[in-house]
Amino acid sequence: DVKVTQSSRYLVKRTGEKVFLECVQDMDHENMFWYRQDPGLGLRLIYFSYDVKMKEKGDIPEGYSVSREKKERFSLILESASTNQTSMYLCASSLVLNSLSNQPQHFGDGTRLSIL
Amino acid sequence: AQKITQTQPGMFVQEKEAVTLDCTYDTSDPSYGLFWYKQPSSGEMIFLIYQGSYDQQNATEGRYSLNFQKARKSANLVISASQLGDSAMYFCAMREGNSGYSTLTFGKGTMLLVSP
Repeated sequence: DVKVTQSSRYLVKRTGEKVFLECVQDMDHENMFWYRQDPGLGLRLIYFSYDVKMKEKGDIPEGYSVSREKKERFSLILESASTNQTSMYLCASSLVLNSLSNQPQHFGDGTRLSIL
Repeated sequence: AQKITQTQPGMFVQEKEAVTLDCTYDTSDPSYGLFWYKQPSSGEMIFLIYQGSYDQQNATEGRYSLNFQKARKSANLVISASQLGDSAMYFCAMREGNSGYSTLTFGKGTMLLVSP
């Protein structure tokens, strides 16, 4: 089974802090993703990476950056945390696929981040 | 316009009854895939079922089936014989042919509550 591990289930930080959320996958997947989930808004894509050191902006990249130095690890960085970044953050990974592949994205358990 | 629309914020069903969760989608691409995920209160996203745009038959996975009506652009999830453990958020998602990196677009979700 694919295992996607997020470093923290719960995290509390203060405004202005630099925050790192870490994600590791063990299936040699090329693609990795960071989403945030807010009530009534579903999952929104922040950034994704299709290879080491490669990244693409998702739908809501403002206020975030990412790092992928190794294939198995994808980090989300909040450069200067703000209260509107309080949310649930989900990491996912997948193989490189075309649109008709039935292989899903595999998710971690999520990190509930509170910015005070 | 939203690419994935889930019109039911919440649904109630009694144990052992069947329930249908609605999902409509919007794409001009002939090649796409539709996914359903379950998210219990613990937070992890669990992949349930997949339907490809060229699949001739509706997908089934155990108690889950997908009522795929291509002309209507709908992909409703049917859960037969509901169980208490089915209480969760359910998300519909789409992967389109032009994404290139297998990104998914999610709906806002439907909360399902199963009562004894």
